[in-house]
Amino acid sequence: GAVVSQHPSWVICKSGTSVKIECRSLDFQATTMFWYRQFPKQSLMLMATSNEGSKATYEQGVEKDKFLINHASLTLSTLTVTSAHPEDSSFYICSCRAQSYEQYFGPGTRLTVT
Amino acid sequence: DQQVKQNSPSLSVQEGRISILNCDYTNSMFDYFLWYKKYPAEGPTFLISISSIKDKNEDGRFTVFLNKSAKHLSLHIVPSQPGDSAVYFCAGGGTGGATNKLIFGTGTLLAVQP
Repeated sequence: GAVVSQHPSWVICKSGTSVKIECRSLDFQATTMFWYRQFPKQSLMLMATSNEGSKATYEQGVEKDKFLINHASLTLSTLTVTSAHPEDSSFYICSCRAQSYEQYFGPGTRLTVT
Repeated sequence: DQQVKQNSPSLSVQEGRISILNCDYTNSMFDYFLWYKKYPAEGPTFLISISSIKDKNEDGRFTVFLNKSAKHLSLHIVPSQPGDSAVYFCAGGGTGGATNKLIFGTGTLLAVQP
């Protein structure tokens, strides 16, 4: 149980385009989903927290107009990187939490902006 | 302010021996702690958690100890196996308010030598 998927697993896009990343909880309903970003050899940085049907709460320093988060259902959240630039290249990971406090992570999405 | 600290960036252990990974925290509002294992370019895998009202939780080869007075927790892996080689993150979280999210440490790279 507690399986989380992400799609795509990797994506290359041109500067100025937008990229959408999907996060799905496959065998449980996630009341809360989180989006993280990880730079090489660094820890996970929380970008935003989203509850189903509500607006996401963004961490300080994260541009909400650039990183659009939609949590349309209890099993799906999407992160859209708008007008991507090379500095947005990173490893993006989502996590899902049900009723307990444990979070289960997706496999991550490697974004490369050229 | 680094609320969760893993002061050892790396640890090397012989196969079959005990691995002890340490974590210190400063936020006394954490209600629970979790340990994750992470391979490069993958999402973290949940290992074990502990509520702040407990001082020990055991699951198979993994045991987590919590010393609240010292604001210290540790993950014991015994016996260590080569497949345990990965980066281990500890994280603290709360059940409400500003702490309703995980705060991660910087990780410890465990290398189990055959």
